[in-house]
Amino acid sequence: QVTLRESGPALVKPTQTLTLTCTFSGFSLSTSAMCVSWVRQPPGKALEWLALIDWDDDKYYSTSLKTRLTISKDTSKNQVVLTMTNMDPVDTATYYCARTQYSGSYFYFDYWGQGTLVTVSS
Amino acid sequence: SYELTQPPSVSVSPGQTARITCSGDALPKQYGYWYQQKPGQAPVLVIYKDSERPSGIPERFSGSSSGTTVTLTISGVQAEDEADYYCQSADSSGVPIRVVFGGGTKLTVL
Repeated sequence: QVTLRESGPALVKPTQTLTLTCTFSGFSLSTSAMCVSWVRQPPGKALEWLALIDWDDDKYYSTSLKTRLTISKDTSKNQVVLTMTNMDPVDTATYYCARTQYSGSYFYFDYWGQGTLVTVSS
Repeated sequence: SYELTQPPSVSVSPGQTARITCSGDALPKQYGYWYQQKPGQAPVLVIYKDSERPSGIPERFSGSSSGTTVTLTISGVQAEDEADYYCQSADSSGVPIRVVFGGGTKLTVL
């Protein structure tokens, strides 16, 4: 059974750095073809993909947010960490981690965490 | 530009067929995917690679693709199908990867 769970602060101040952790079970990021992404959703708005890390430690980022994002993994703990620098109120959103099926011809999210709401406010 | 366009809302009566479209110039070259999201919940994958249904998703959910449009069809709509539906596609053939979601369609079961 695949499960993912996000954790991190519910409130951050503008200009601060956000650090989110995704803890998962039911698969291993040391297994070939396994990948985890972060996706966010501002209140009442659409989904937005942020970043992906794969089993080989390759990392890919949204071009619009690339300069602010860092994704990493701790395979021994079954965790993926996302950091986002210079937080702004427009970054207020529910942040999801999701297991990702990815190759040169397909890219989709087959299992999602329940999400964690992050509010950016002074 | 790499965009996907969905109608903001679709309404159907129980037992009828709902069709939700998603249009984008890249869709002839890339697969389409569909997610169902109920209020306060995480998205759930209901269709992948245009028309494949994950295990556990009811058979009334189906997907199709034609040209620049992918379509999610829900046959015999039930009250529990009321939700937001998002299409998604991606160009993962190179770097950078481009992943895009549609704006979402709210399905109302009358």
